[in-house]
Amino acid sequence: EAGVAQSPRYKIIEKRQSVAFWCNPISGHATLYWYQQILGQGPKLLIQFQNNGVVDDSQLPKDRFSAERLKGVDSTLKIQPAKLEDSAVYLCASSPRGLAGAFGTYNEQFFGPGTRLTVL
Amino acid sequence: RKEVEQDPGPFNVPEGATVAFNCTYSNSASQSFFWYRQDCRKEPKLLMSVYSSGNEDGRFTAQLNRASQYISLLIRDSKLSDSATYLCVVNAKSSGDKLTFGTGTRLAVRP
Repeated sequence: EAGVAQSPRYKIIEKRQSVAFWCNPISGHATLYWYQQILGQGPKLLIQFQNNGVVDDSQLPKDRFSAERLKGVDSTLKIQPAKLEDSAVYLCASSPRGLAGAFGTYNEQFFGPGTRLTVL
Repeated sequence: RKEVEQDPGPFNVPEGATVAFNCTYSNSASQSFFWYRQDCRKEPKLLMSVYSSGNEDGRFTAQLNRASQYISLLIRDSKLSDSATYLCVVNAKSSGDKLTFGTGTRLAVRP
């Protein structure tokens, strides 16, 4: 089974430039997440989609970050304009549905390889 | 105070050693707990869920102490391939599906 695909794998830009990341989740997965992982820290959720609707974007810096999942499949995350502190790995994850599974189990979130962004 | 706190390490242990990591969480409403493993420059992968009664998966044992709000991971008979960062992850029902990750504990197993 193919995993979560992300592109590009690496991106170097200058501050105030724009950048976009693409994610293709595992086929059939309704839930898609974007995380930001700064060096030395754990991933932080930016936005969660259920199909093409936003479930949680409370930690997305909406003045510069935007994300969409128009057809409920792949997704793009955009930063405009970028700041130095945006340097991080941007991880996309997907799961069949939300966290809660059947009979007290949990649905695993499968992560893609990430896009490493460097802002100079 | 951070929502999920872990000792960043690194823990340097010889092959065959037993090593334990602890993690504390601040939200008493947290109800789902996990350990993820992240290799250097790779994505996180689920290692195991942590259930109230504790659970074991081969050489790995996870425990939950709700009264003290901490989670532990015990690795027995460490292998070189266990070298990685171990992320403690928590979910509170009030936050929907949001997973809150700790900063991770780095483990280095030496020959």
